[in-house]
Amino acid sequence: GAVVSQHPSWVICKSGTSVKIECRSLDFQATTMFWYRQFPKQSLMLMATSNEGSKATYEQGVEKDKFLINHASLTLSTLTVTSAHPEDSSFYICSPRRGGDTEAFFGQGTRLTVV
Amino acid sequence: SQKIEQNSEALNIQEGKTATLTCNYTNYSPAYLQWYRQDPGRGPVFLLLIRENEKEKRKERLKVTFDTTLKQSLFHITASQPADSATYLCALSQTGANNLFFGTGTRLTVIP
Repeated sequence: GAVVSQHPSWVICKSGTSVKIECRSLDFQATTMFWYRQFPKQSLMLMATSNEGSKATYEQGVEKDKFLINHASLTLSTLTVTSAHPEDSSFYICSPRRGGDTEAFFGQGTRLTVV
Repeated sequence: SQKIEQNSEALNIQEGKTATLTCNYTNYSPAYLQWYRQDPGRGPVFLLLIRENEKEKRKERLKVTFDTTLKQSLFHITASQPADSATYLCALSQTGANNLFFGTGTRLTVIP
């Protein structure tokens, strides 16, 4: 299977600060990166989709200026939560995808707590 | 509106019994449907995929069925074990797209 590394696994930050989450595909090249958010006892909600070298496409209701996505290489994507607020506290999960793949591989997730 | 519903939020069963989880969808035309396992504080892990033209798929103690007329998939774990306790998510992908839409999840607890 594919190996995905996401870090940090958890982070606590103060309101108003920014947090960067990294996602790496260790043994494959990801042409597409999906970023999800999961609130307690809820399912994964797609936030945005990015293709290497292109701007990300954001789902309705997700602020692109708040959740900055960089997909500069085929093995690394970052999600930066800017000016974080307590309502941004959630579990963020990345899912890098190769072209032609049907099953999805996920990072370990990042638990963000904004205080 | 589009919905993917997993009918039980939580399911408790006795060890050794068969667990059956349900996934119903509305206003989707899935090319295939997948099941994932998610443990607390972790990302989902792929279990099984079934395509729209397949009725049933098996892998060891797992079995998935797919009824596109009923718009439903059933996920079975036979001879369940306490280690099977986790949240199980169904997910589907539409024809021509590679992003996944996830169901609400069922938290399964297998009681020793």
